[in-house]
Amino acid sequence: DVKVTQSSRYLVKRTGEKVFLECVQDMDHENMFWYRQDPGLGLRLIYFSYDVKMKEKGDIPEGYSVSREKKERFSLILESASTNQTSMYLCASRTGTGAGYTFGSGTRLTVV
Amino acid sequence: GENVEQHPSTLSVQEGDSAVIKCTYSDSASNYFPWYKQELGKRPQLIIDIRSNVGEKKDQRIAVTLNKTAKHFSLHITETQPEDSAVYFCAASRGNTDKLIFGTGTRLQVFP
Repeated sequence: DVKVTQSSRYLVKRTGEKVFLECVQDMDHENMFWYRQDPGLGLRLIYFSYDVKMKEKGDIPEGYSVSREKKERFSLILESASTNQTSMYLCASRTGTGAGYTFGSGTRLTVV
Repeated sequence: GENVEQHPSTLSVQEGDSAVIKCTYSDSASNYFPWYKQELGKRPQLIIDIRSNVGEKKDQRIAVTLNKTAKHFSLHITETQPEDSAVYFCAASRGNTDKLIFGTGTRLQVFP
């Protein structure tokens, strides 16, 4: 079974802090994604990466950046956390086109 | 922009009844349509998917139908059981890419 592991289940951060959310997958998948999940809005794509050091903006990239230095690891960075970034963050990976995503367990981030 | 609409947002059924969730998409180039089930506090998990060259796919009590002309697809669950209670998300690919656009989710409750 593909494993996608997110380092933290729950995080509480202060406004203005720089926040790192880590995601690691163990199946050599090329594609990795960061989504945020909010009630009534479903899952919205923040950024995705299709290879090491390659990234593309999703639908809501403002206030976020990403890093992919190694194929197995995809990090989401909140440059200066704000209260409207309080959300559930889900990482996913996928092998090539036409395959389903495998999601991580999610990180529930609260910015106070 | 592209979007996926999902209805209903909540659905309550008696155990043993059928449940149907419907989604419409706007991108005529979408070619991959997965469905995810998310139980409370858990990660979304792929339960069934369909590609644009197929009109229907079935897996035990779950089936998905696709109408490309009308740009809508549906999830059908027969003989529902309490363990089917969860939030279900539909998704559509952005054209022939690896990116998915998700619907806003349907909370299904199956009462014994």
